[in-house]
Amino acid sequence: QKEVEQDPGPLSVPEGAIVSLNCTYSNSAFQYFMWYRQYSRKGPELLMYTYSSGNKEDGRFTAQVDKSSKYISLFIRDSQPSDSATYLCAMSETGNTPLVFGKGTRLSVIA
Amino acid sequence: NAGVTQTPKFQVLKTGQSMTLQCAQDMNHNSMYWYRQDPGMGLRLIYYSASEGTTDKGEVPNGYNVSRLNKREFSLRLESAAPSQTSVYFCASKMTAGSTDTQYFGPGTRLTVL
Repeated sequence: QKEVEQDPGPLSVPEGAIVSLNCTYSNSAFQYFMWYRQYSRKGPELLMYTYSSGNKEDGRFTAQVDKSSKYISLFIRDSQPSDSATYLCAMSETGNTPLVFGKGTRLSVIA
Repeated sequence: NAGVTQTPKFQVLKTGQSMTLQCAQDMNHNSMYWYRQDPGMGLRLIYYSASEGTTDKGEVPNGYNVSRLNKREFSLRLESAAPSQTSVYFCASKMTAGSTDTQYFGPGTRLTVL
């Protein structure tokens, strides 16, 4: 079993919908949780970062971490066609350990 | 600032040929990383360099070598390319290896091995 599991989709939603993207993980030592967005034929870019459990909100985006369930989520409100991309979760332990990425979920927002 | 740059953008090799992928960053970052991205497999770490003068293996290092040439540059070498190495390769950098730093990615190199 891979350390980080993420449903690859594809996920297709109408413009204005609320999108929920999720990852589960098996390593209880993970403390840092990120969401990256990757547009087609581009490199990933950091979208949200959360430390330990809790919620973090940034505009239309909300990241949630539930360490007891080993489950993280990214919610996108009022989704736009410009949100169409692949979303990758990533996480790491404390210290200098490298990030471990999920496989990514491809999202299409249809106008 | 150019951020993280990678050359070449595209490359086609024949089985057994060698090549070096170049990566440079102008953000004065200490840590640099090489990933490969394959359909259905996500981003997998090949090698990383936590600081100048150090390199460590990642999840999939077989068939690759790296050189941290200086603080700015981190190259990835394929000594004898194989079709299984067909992939998109991303270089990334961050200020330190510490988990709180943002990791920045380059635009990628698309490699096809025939």
